[in-house]
Amino acid sequence: DTGVSQNPRHKITKRGQNVTFRCDPISEHNRLYWYRQTLGQGPEFLTYFQNEAQLEKSRLLSDRFSAERPKGSFSTLEIQRTEQGDSAMYLCASSLTGGYEKLFFGSGTQLSVL
Amino acid sequence: KQEVTQIPAALSVPEGENLVLNCSFTDSAIYNLQWFRQDPGKGLTSLLLIQSSQREQTSGRLNASLDKSSGRSTLYIAASQPGDSATYLCAVRRRLRGNTGKLIFGQGTTLQVKP
Repeated sequence: DTGVSQNPRHKITKRGQNVTFRCDPISEHNRLYWYRQTLGQGPEFLTYFQNEAQLEKSRLLSDRFSAERPKGSFSTLEIQRTEQGDSAMYLCASSLTGGYEKLFFGSGTQLSVL
Repeated sequence: KQEVTQIPAALSVPEGENLVLNCSFTDSAIYNLQWFRQDPGKGLTSLLLIQSSQREQTSGRLNASLDKSSGRSTLYIAASQPGDSATYLCAVRRRLRGNTGKLIFGQGTTLQVKP
């Protein structure tokens, strides 16, 4: 069990470019979550998957955001046509349903849009 | 709609002091509540998880309590140390019919423990 892994750790991009982040959850966890966090705020929910099904998507997630979990294992979060307001820490977490559903977080991807 | 509030937003205490961080939530239909610690620029580390049927959980110098009826949880830190300096976040998971929902976070309390 190596924990939740996120790549890259940091991403700097120019406004208008597309970016993609990857999250590898704890191997036996069936749920995977994406959150966004800006400085001084708590994490805001973006979306979550149970296996490969995307069960909920926040209204915060505009059409420029898309997330996938094609085989129920790793997930990708893509942001198209990035804007300066997208600059934030993007956090991935995973959990296992049926018990305590304790959430385990990765170290996050810090996105800076110039 | 579930809302989670943490007070105070920031707290500074001398080393050795016992302290309490507060978390309140508006909808008592929760599955569980989890307390996290976050160091600057890092991800979140889980500290304690309390199921809705439980009243408290303890781990070392940390004790978390839950009062569902009043919509409140507290995190008690005994004999604080400079290494406890971090942001502490609480989050609640809703109970849904036949399923459980996402975690909803408070804004966090940033703690500074001075040597």
